[in-house]
Amino acid sequence: GAGVSQTPSNKVTEKGKYVELRCDPISGHTALYWYRQSLGQGPEFLIYFQGTGAADDSGLPNDRFFAVRPEGSVSTLKIQRTERGDSAMYLCASSLIQGAGNEQFFGPGTRLTVL
Amino acid sequence: ILNVEQSPQSLHVQEGDSTNFTCSFPSSNFYALHWYRWETAKSPEALFVMTLNGDEKKKGRISATLNTKEGYSYLYIKGSQPEDSATYLCAFGTYKYIFGTGTRLKVLA
Repeated sequence: GAGVSQTPSNKVTEKGKYVELRCDPISGHTALYWYRQSLGQGPEFLIYFQGTGAADDSGLPNDRFFAVRPEGSVSTLKIQRTERGDSAMYLCASSLIQGAGNEQFFGPGTRLTVL
Repeated sequence: ILNVEQSPQSLHVQEGDSTNFTCSFPSSNFYALHWYRWETAKSPEALFVMTLNGDEKKKGRISATLNTKEGYSYLYIKGSQPEDSATYLCAFGTYKYIFGTGTRLKVLA
């Protein structure tokens, strides 16, 4: 079956612009996660959705970052007034349910470059 | 602050060699330990989910062990092949994964 997909695969933008990154989870997966991987680091947790609601957004770095999942399926990560430090690989994952040991399936990521 | 460390950061091995990497994690409040393989331009691929102390799992030439009391997991690759070249990530936690920085493996033909 289809895995997690993310669009675009690459996004180049200018400092100060607004960007949206999209994630299509595996059909039927109720949990959705966003991570960010900066150069030389492992992926870092940003936000977790259970259904339509953000169950944990403690990883969002500041109020320029916002994510939605209005129908409990597709999610969009929105970044306002982008800064050069936002340049990173943004990964999305989904899982059937949330819980210890439950496997997260990842998409290929969106590489964001802020010039 | 919970920290997950992986070593080595990178390594090159010859085709046919066996190799292993280490993932260290907090030994208290253990939930689960995940191993992923991430090839360039692809999605990270789940290899193993390990939840019990003493767990040993195998998938083809790749295997992993878990010691929750001392807080480490080993990943072994037997008879490395060029297609094994990738970054191997471990992640600790429940839903909020804490990742190590990965081990970048290059298998030379």
